[in-house]
Amino acid sequence: GQNIDQPTEMTATEGAIVQINCTYQTSGFNGLFWYQQHAGEAPTFLSYNVLDGLEEKGRFSSFLSRSKGYSYLLLKELQMKDSASYLCAVMDSNYQLIWGAGTKLIIKP
Amino acid sequence: NAGVTQTPKFRVLKTGQSMTLLCAQDMNHEYMYWYRQDPGMGLRLIHYSVGEGTTAKGEVPDGYNVSRLKKQNFLLGLESAAPSQTSVYFCASRPGLADQETQYFGPGTRLLVL
Repeated sequence: GQNIDQPTEMTATEGAIVQINCTYQTSGFNGLFWYQQHAGEAPTFLSYNVLDGLEEKGRFSSFLSRSKGYSYLLLKELQMKDSASYLCAVMDSNYQLIWGAGTKLIIKP
Repeated sequence: NAGVTQTPKFRVLKTGQSMTLLCAQDMNHEYMYWYRQDPGMGLRLIHYSVGEGTTAKGEVPDGYNVSRLKKQNFLLGLESAAPSQTSVYFCASRPGLADQETQYFGPGTRLLVL
């Protein structure tokens, strides 16, 4: 079966760095996406990785290791507005997105 | 551009009632999707469409039907609502098949079935 695992909840301090991990087992791989979802809102796109390595976008970076079935999202200089759920999704061989349950990130002052 | 819009935003139904959720996108996207999101679970694909006049089943299609008569609209129907269909429903669209293209989501429809 297809499976995406990520921690249910994490807590971090404003100004700090946090790493959210995602492991996956899917039928085929056509890329991995990270989305941010604030409570009561729709998911919004953060990053896309299809090759191994690190992609950096401002305060956010995403890393992929295809051989390990592993990705992480790194958030630096945390701000209160980063309090949200972070969803990991893998595009399978049918070009459909398989979604993790999301990691709720709580930022404390 | 309005992007992806959904109607209605919130609805309460009684068991056995029917309703249609409307999704509209003005980005000329080929692909459209209907998901449901439940607490503690990832987004689950109900049905999707790869172009006008086409529909296909996703992971959890039972109890739902869809239609895509016009490219910009994707309708999700519940023929006989059940309490298990209480959820938040998201519509999404995507330009085409290229793997790096992301999905754009509507604001969601919150459905409560009593």
